[in-house]
Amino acid sequence: DSGVTQTPKHLITATGQRVTLRCSPRSGDLSVYWYQQSLDQGLQFLIQYYNGEERAKGNILERFSAQQFPDLHSELNLSSLELGDSALYFCASSSSGAGHNEQFFGPGTRLTVL
Amino acid sequence: GEDVEQSLFLSVREGDSSVINCTYTDSSSTYLYWYKQEPGAGLQLLTYIFSNMDMKQDQRLTVLLNKKDKHLSLRIADTQTGDSAIYFCAERETGSSASKIIFGSGTRLSIRP
Repeated sequence: DSGVTQTPKHLITATGQRVTLRCSPRSGDLSVYWYQQSLDQGLQFLIQYYNGEERAKGNILERFSAQQFPDLHSELNLSSLELGDSALYFCASSSSGAGHNEQFFGPGTRLTVL
Repeated sequence: GEDVEQSLFLSVREGDSSVINCTYTDSSSTYLYWYKQEPGAGLQLLTYIFSNMDMKQDQRLTVLLNKKDKHLSLRIADTQTGDSAIYFCAERETGSSASKIIFGSGTRLSIRP
């Protein structure tokens, strides 16, 4: 158990819909990262937040957005869903940007868009 | 841009050594990582190496870094069935307080009896 929790575990929805994925980082970790893992694209970095502020952006679509709240939990919002958005979405957390900065991964949310 | 490449599959016999290879493009990467993903689970950090090191050993795991060729390998000695997983190589962007990590596509390791 990494200490990072993600809800829900599974999500099935239809094209055009909007969903929100939630992540709680490990106690004390200030950074939260979101990744998308799909069969054809591998593991793609989406976005990072540090202590409530956006710190880095990866291959995140404009239809997707995220935020980190004062209690440090984070939400990833996916809108106007398409079939190709079906994937595993992972959240990871780390304490800071210093050192080797191990990222601890949550168990993921499996999103299926029908 | 940064890129990390690995072969997709590796099959080894139980008890043999497994060697998973990776190449990366950012010659100024500070840290390089190996993560393990077991079925239905998230990624777990196995080991990492700082870019000024050539080798790191941790029990059954040996990481070799050839900085000149930008080649990283993970050797698992005495491979067991519990080692079946996807192994991801990753590099950390340099000069980045954002700690952005670039992952390879993962190598699926399967163990033959």
